[in-house]
Amino acid sequence: DAGVTQTPRHEVAEKGQTIILKCEPVSGHNDLFWYRQTKIQGLELLSYFRSKSLMEDGGAFKDRFKAEMLNSSFSTLKIQPTEPKDSAVYLCASSLDWAYAEQFFGPGTRLTVL
Amino acid sequence: QQKVQQSPESLIVPEGGMASLNCTFSDRNSQYFWWYRQHSGEGPKALMSIFSNGDKKEGRFTAHLNKASLYVSLHIKDSQPSDSALYFCAVNNYAQGLTFGLGTRVSVFP
Repeated sequence: DAGVTQTPRHEVAEKGQTIILKCEPVSGHNDLFWYRQTKIQGLELLSYFRSKSLMEDGGAFKDRFKAEMLNSSFSTLKIQPTEPKDSAVYLCASSLDWAYAEQFFGPGTRLTVL
Repeated sequence: QQKVQQSPESLIVPEGGMASLNCTFSDRNSQYFWWYRQHSGEGPKALMSIFSNGDKKEGRFTAHLNKASLYVSLHIKDSQPSDSALYFCAVNNYAQGLTFGLGTRVSVFP
């Protein structure tokens, strides 16, 4: 079985650019999560979808970050416009259930904003 | 808002030694507890979960949970160089989903 796939693995953007990160969850999983990982803040939840419906829109992240789930097997995270403080690893995860099931993570996209 | 704190921040363990990782959480309604491991350049991967008070053993890994003390721990016996990684404690409750700690970096030296 394929795990969670994320593309690209690395992205370099100029300040002010728009970037789109992509994620394909594990087939059959109902829930999809986007996280941002930094050394200071650790893993921060950006967005959460349950059966393609947006359940969590990221609070403090919502102004420049927009996650979409186009179908049950594909999600995107758009950052517009990018700022240097957005430099981080962006992780996508999927699971069978929000509360109790294991979350399966992709390898992440390392974003560098210059 | 759930707070999950891990200690120590980093740990150096000799090969064959025991690594002990600690985690405290703030919400008494927390129900499910996970340990995830992340090797460099990869996403986190679940090691094991625990939801009942007491010990749970899976191979060289033993998790311990004490809900009354808001405490969960992970012990790695006979540590191997391949155990060198970042270890996260993650706590579930149905209202807030999964909250991660900042992690403990374990380095196992031969």
